[in-house]
Amino acid sequence: AQSVTQLGSHVSVSEGALVLLRCNYSSSVPPYLFWYVQYPNQGLQLLLKYTTGATLVKGINGFEAEFKKSETSFHLTKPSAHMSDAAEYFCAVSRGYQKVTFGTGTKLQVIP
Amino acid sequence: SQTIHQWPATLVQPVGSPLSLECTVEGTSNPNLYWYRQAAGRGLQLLFYSVGIGQISSEVPQNLSASRPQDRQFILSSKKLLLSDSGFYLCAWNWAATNEKLFFGSGTQLSVL
Repeated sequence: AQSVTQLGSHVSVSEGALVLLRCNYSSSVPPYLFWYVQYPNQGLQLLLKYTTGATLVKGINGFEAEFKKSETSFHLTKPSAHMSDAAEYFCAVSRGYQKVTFGTGTKLQVIP
Repeated sequence: SQTIHQWPATLVQPVGSPLSLECTVEGTSNPNLYWYRQAAGRGLQLLFYSVGIGQISSEVPQNLSASRPQDRQFILSSKKLLLSDSGFYLCAWNWAATNEKLFFGSGTQLSVL
């Protein structure tokens, strides 16, 4: 079985500040991990993914995430928040032929 | 390139009425297909997924059903809508061989009144 826990349903940061969105996973086998972003009234789009190889993954819009097996974490970061980053972010886990499981999401608010 | 179409974008239906939401994928064959529901504060809930024509797996027992009459067509239905069926419904697909990245449709906002 696999699951994802996202800590904090709402996160607020000031424009230009560090963005840190937390994700912890549970998986019985080495996981594939994803971050998706959803803008209001739209579908989700992939920010970045980890499957194998380098544990620090860079995605679109300046986001990155680091896979830490010892901590079972895959936190999403961005050095400097921009107003356009305001959205809802979902962490997800899958492996091979197992279906993708999503976290409950974190809404990011960017304060000017 | 691959595209996914989902319609309608918004729908307002009375309680007890039927429902049919359609999703089609273009530019690929034999995709995995998914229906998710997103309710406020509850994240994404997987409702159904399909690995092939006529093959449907239900994740949550409920008032809804799904069908896959063609390889790239996925339909979400209900015979009688409940108030609790309100939400944002998302169709998605990924490649069966890797089961990695999901590609999402633009969603249907369903309001049951």
